[in-house]
Amino acid sequence: AQTVTQSQPEMSVQEAETVTLSCTYDTSENNYYLFWYKQPPSRQMILVIRQEAYKQQNATENRFSVNFQKAAKSFSLKISDSQLGDTAMYFCAFTTSISNFGNEKLTFGTGTRLTIIP
Amino acid sequence: DAGVTQSPTHLIKTRGQQVTLRCSPKSGHDTVSWYQQALGQGPQFIFQYYEEEERQRGNFPDRFSGHQFPNYSSELNVNALLLGDSALYLCASSAGTTNLLYNEQFFGPGTRLTVL
Repeated sequence: AQTVTQSQPEMSVQEAETVTLSCTYDTSENNYYLFWYKQPPSRQMILVIRQEAYKQQNATENRFSVNFQKAAKSFSLKISDSQLGDTAMYFCAFTTSISNFGNEKLTFGTGTRLTIIP
Repeated sequence: DAGVTQSPTHLIKTRGQQVTLRCSPKSGHDTVSWYQQALGQGPQFIFQYYEEEERQRGNFPDRFSGHQFPNYSSELNVNALLLGDSALYLCASSAGTTNLLYNEQFFGPGTRLTVL
């Protein structure tokens, strides 16, 4: 069974600073996808960034980047120049690509509550 | 594009009752997945519907059932409600018929169910 672990229940950082959220996962699969989702108080889950396991290059989306360590099964999210709008719950998630359907279920961690302090 | 919509926004029920939650997928999407998010937890996969059939199911009892309609909208039904069923229920839609290895799931705002 696949598991996703987020060991930081809460974090806070000053506006404009950089923060890193940690995530580890466990799987026996070789092909899979990892995600970071943001859930603001509005409750809508929003995809922040995605990493394909077969890609060695770390994914980057504007101020968001990941450090993907496949051997260590580690997938951390770095937020640079943090903004007040980054305040939210952040969930690490995992899915396999074992079929050609492309819509396998997502397995989520327990989340990290991130607060950006003005 | 309205995105994924869910109704109702909030719902209060008592133990033993039955509830139906509704989801309309994003335009162009034909696959709907349901997740349960208990307070302070990450979402847990309940089941997924594609072509009006349950395609995958998570570790949830038979009290949880669903349906997908020809227009791809979906319902989640929970019978014999327990206090532990209190949670945010999220619906996610995706395009099931592409050549991509992964089709992004887009989430709705959820339905907050409280069981008293």
